[in-house]
Amino acid sequence: TQLLEQSPQFLSIQEGENLTVYCNSSSVFSSLQWYRQEPGEGPVLLVTVVTGGEVKKLKRLTFQFGDARKDSSLHITAAQPGDTGLYLCAGRNTGNQFYFGTGTSLTVIP
Amino acid sequence: NAGVTQTPKFQVLKTGQSMTLQCAQDMNHNSMYWYRQDPGMGLRLIYYSASEGTTDKGEVPNGYNVSRLNKREFSLRLESAAPSQTSVYFCASSENQGLGEQYFGPGTRLTVT
Repeated sequence: TQLLEQSPQFLSIQEGENLTVYCNSSSVFSSLQWYRQEPGEGPVLLVTVVTGGEVKKLKRLTFQFGDARKDSSLHITAAQPGDTGLYLCAGRNTGNQFYFGTGTSLTVIP
Repeated sequence: NAGVTQTPKFQVLKTGQSMTLQCAQDMNHNSMYWYRQDPGMGLRLIYYSASEGTTDKGEVPNGYNVSRLNKREFSLRLESAAPSQTSVYFCASSENQGLGEQYFGPGTRLTVT
């Protein structure tokens, strides 16, 4: 059962453009995490959001947790080639299990 | 401080063979996890362990067994490998308390022919 749907699945943009990745679910999570994964490596944590409506910024990346704690978005401003990778969201339930989204593969073209 | 380590990095098995994937963490985390990653499917939880001596099934446990040997080590065993188990396997660890951020190993790429 895939609890988290991400969109778009693939995204190819020019350097300097803005983009938003969505992570949606019908389930409520106690927290939600965003990871970036590069080829041949494990995912690396970017941020954790906990409170409904919470917004966190990490340099050019802005993360938002939905008011009902069912969805989240990742916005990248002025994308750079170094942002290229697979972006994964993961929701944590009260039992300390994590459910991962399907992933968004981002390519930023110089 | 190596974080999470996994061995082997690559493995090719024939259908019906068995093998054990090893995972160790040096961050004194209580929880450890095994995931598999397949194209277009994200990461799916196979088994997890909230503490030494306890293990629980995740989303896709069939065909796998696990052993939490001690607080540091969590192994995944395939008793009779099948082509459907061809995948990349990741081990992760986290604290039970707080935000529970997960730290992942580099993965094991397994091919079953």
